[in-house]
Amino acid sequence: NAGVTQTPKFQVLKTGQSMTLQCAQDMNHNSMYWYRQDPGMGLRLIYYSASEGTTDKGEVPNGYNVSRLNKREFSLRLESAAPSQTSVYFCASSVSLGQPQHFGDGTRLSIL
Amino acid sequence: GDSVTQMEGPVTLSEEAFLTINCTYTATGYPSLFWYVQYPGEGLQLLLKATKADDKGSNKGFEATYRKETTSFHLEKGSVQVSDSAVYFCALTTDSWGKLQFGAGTQVVVTP
Repeated sequence: NAGVTQTPKFQVLKTGQSMTLQCAQDMNHNSMYWYRQDPGMGLRLIYYSASEGTTDKGEVPNGYNVSRLNKREFSLRLESAAPSQTSVYFCASSVSLGQPQHFGDGTRLSIL
Repeated sequence: GDSVTQMEGPVTLSEEAFLTINCTYTATGYPSLFWYVQYPGEGLQLLLKATKADDKGSNKGFEATYRKETTSFHLEKGSVQVSDSAVYFCALTTDSWGKLQFGAGTQVVVTP
């Protein structure tokens, strides 16, 4: 009963370090998404992948890159972490375009 | 652009009280509307949805009606429990690929 699995759950980085957040779904969903959640701002879309082999920018893509490794996995990379990227990151997936999204439990990332 | 406005929290209620969380939206086209719930330390879960005017979404005692004339999708529950304490997010999508636009979230605290 895994659904969407994110790793790690917590991470502390120093400014300038790099890191990859991992996301995997076992529901055979076509579409996957990365969001960040900041107090008072709801969730904002960073990148999405409509289907395997495609990725597109969302609302706040600067400072991030993504890879849709295969249908199951969608990773988010911070090449040079900045304090402004301190946030909770959520991965989500959906069956197909326009269907409700299923979320992972999040990765809490702090950048000092 | 599309946007969602929710009432600010926290909303503090006693057990068995009536809950209303207001949500209004602006959108081009004909959006689908959603309520998501986030329990402490967890990801977002879809609570209910409505895809056309006058549709009523319902789940776990919660209800919301899609009101096109007032561009609203208010969430209601007749008798809340302590276990309903969570953050509730209103969201919409007008894109065929299902990009979600979230409100800022409303924290609900139910006391015994």
